[in-house]
Amino acid sequence: GAVVSQHPSWVICKSGTSVKIECRSLDFQATTMFWYRQFPKQSLMLMATSNEGSKATYEQGVEKDKFLINHASLTLSTLTVTSAHPEDSSFYICSAGHSYEQYFGPGTRLTVT
Amino acid sequence: DAKTTQPNSMESNEEEPVHLPCNHSTISGTDYIHWYRQLPSQGPEYVIHGLTSNVNNRMASLAIAEDRKSSTLILHRATLRDAAVYYCILSQNAGNMLTFGGGTRLMVKP
Repeated sequence: GAVVSQHPSWVICKSGTSVKIECRSLDFQATTMFWYRQFPKQSLMLMATSNEGSKATYEQGVEKDKFLINHASLTLSTLTVTSAHPEDSSFYICSAGHSYEQYFGPGTRLTVT
Repeated sequence: DAKTTQPNSMESNEEEPVHLPCNHSTISGTDYIHWYRQLPSQGPEYVIHGLTSNVNNRMASLAIAEDRKSSTLILHRATLRDAAVYYCILSQNAGNMLTFGGGTRLMVKP
């Protein structure tokens, strides 16, 4: 089946720094990718829809200037958490649709100290 | 997307069948019923989906009520590796984003 990868799988950063997370569709092209955030013991919450070649669409309450999304190619979307703070510590997951399924990446665990 | 209701948690014994229920009384005629599961510290993975008829694949079976207001995911023989959170999601297009509810945490006892 189709594969979506994420890099890094985990990252620790200091408060105030920025972190970039990559999401790649390895064997299919994805004009649209989705970014989710998941806090411990909670469900996945959609943050934004990443569109290749155009601006991302953000869900209500998600700051677009803090969570920068770039979808420059049909196989790569990046999420940059700018000026990270401890409350941004979470599990970030991307997904892309292919055929009749959504394929999810393995997730990136971000810890901000 | 229409809302789904699932029990917070369920327990099963290893090697026994598991029936995971999902209520979706406000489902529309064009909503597909999708099931995904999330193992600990991993991204969700597709399990099965259907529209009106019951469906079988190598992972599970999906039984859909005649009025489509509920469905049941059936794991025929639970293994320890099936311990996960199972999400029942309605969507008109699998290519679109999925809205996750609380899901059912399945615990499998050896």
